[in-house]
Amino acid sequence: KQEVTQIPAALSVPEGENLVLNCSFTDSAIYNLQWFRQDPGKGLTSLLLIQSSQREQTSGRLNASLDKSSGRSTLYIAASQPGDSATYLCAVTIAGSARQLTFGSGTQLTVLP
Amino acid sequence: DGGITQSPKYLFRKEGQNVTLSCEQNLNHDAMYWYRQDPGQGLRLIYYSQIVNDFQKGDIAEGYSVSREKKESFPLTVTSAQKNPTAFYLCASNPQGGEKLFFGSGTQLSVL
Repeated sequence: KQEVTQIPAALSVPEGENLVLNCSFTDSAIYNLQWFRQDPGKGLTSLLLIQSSQREQTSGRLNASLDKSSGRSTLYIAASQPGDSATYLCAVTIAGSARQLTFGSGTQLTVLP
Repeated sequence: DGGITQSPKYLFRKEGQNVTLSCEQNLNHDAMYWYRQDPGQGLRLIYYSQIVNDFQKGDIAEGYSVSREKKESFPLTVTSAQKNPTAFYLCASNPQGGEKLFFGSGTQLSVL
């Protein structure tokens, strides 16, 4: 069964710092991997989606990489801002699963002004 | 504005009571999903529907039921058989063949 792990569970950094969030998964037979942002008491917003054939995707200050063979993905946030404070979740779509996603438990990020 | 609307935002359930959570979307998406989120945990799939009048169980369907009579609507009923219903419930959708998921703002269900 696919398992997705995110470490650390919480991270606190000063404003302006570049940071990396980690995501690992146990089964490399994935269709794609997505990174989401969740603000407290809110739904999820999709940030980046990486297909299994891709190595990375970029959107503004965010860059997500995928190493399918090692079962790892990273989300790089450049020049962090207090508005980046949120929980970041990664999720993998299992190949042949009718688009069912398996989620990690998230990393709660706090960017201090 | 297009989007997914979940209601109510907060819901309280008494012992032995069934409650229904609403999810409506005007994005013309074919597929809809219900997830449960417990504190500090990832989302777990309860039910999903890829087309009207058809739905499939997810990983934790026991104690829940759904219907999909209209493309726009996918209500979730939490039955009295669900012994630990307190959680944050999220509805999501995506178009047929699409991969990016769109989420509603969630319903927090608590037991009185």
